[in-house]
Amino acid sequence: KNEVEQSPQNLTAQEGEFITINCSYSVGISALHWLQQHPGGGIVSLFMLSSGKKKHGRLIATINIQEKHSSLHITASHPRDSAVYICAVLIWRKLVFGKGTKLTVNP
Amino acid sequence: DVKVTQSSRYLVKRTGEKVFLECVQDMDHENMFWYRQDPGLGLRLIYFSYDVKMKEKGDIPEGYSVSREKKERFSLILESASTNQTSMYLCASSRFQGDGTQYFGPGTRLLVL
Repeated sequence: KNEVEQSPQNLTAQEGEFITINCSYSVGISALHWLQQHPGGGIVSLFMLSSGKKKHGRLIATINIQEKHSSLHITASHPRDSAVYICAVLIWRKLVFGKGTKLTVNP
Repeated sequence: DVKVTQSSRYLVKRTGEKVFLECVQDMDHENMFWYRQDPGLGLRLIYFSYDVKMKEKGDIPEGYSVSREKKERFSLILESASTNQTSMYLCASSRFQGDGTQYFGPGTRLLVL
């Protein structure tokens, strides 16, 4: 059983659309991270959440600790947002990763 | 800015060869990690280290070993490469008492023939 489940696995959108990616987890955590991986491999951290909501530009991340659920939203999506988005939960000093959501934004 | 570098971007090896993948970070991070990433399986932890000469097995340590002789350097060793070890290998580092944010290297795409 995966401790971190993401949905959807794949998502195709038109430029300008509002995007939501969901993450559910089944264990107690210290924090939840959202990461982005562009084609070519490089992974960068987008957000760290332990409660509430964070916003960075067009990206918004929320977490509901009681429900064990987090969402990543992208407003006014753009082709350059095309990437794999990965949810990860912090357990002790290790991150446990979801399998990622591949987002394609068409012009 | 944190920088994590890996010794090679692409590597081709033959079955049975010993393979060394090196990772170096320049931010004095205590924690270092080796992952492999395969389509449909996501990132899986092979080994991690939270101090020099310390190592702990991750989820898939079989067929791998690691070495951490200096704080900034964490090596992954494939003792006898096999075709099922063809994968993307990613190294990461983080602070011991941080918020868990990991900084990733660019990855090494290994092909074992």
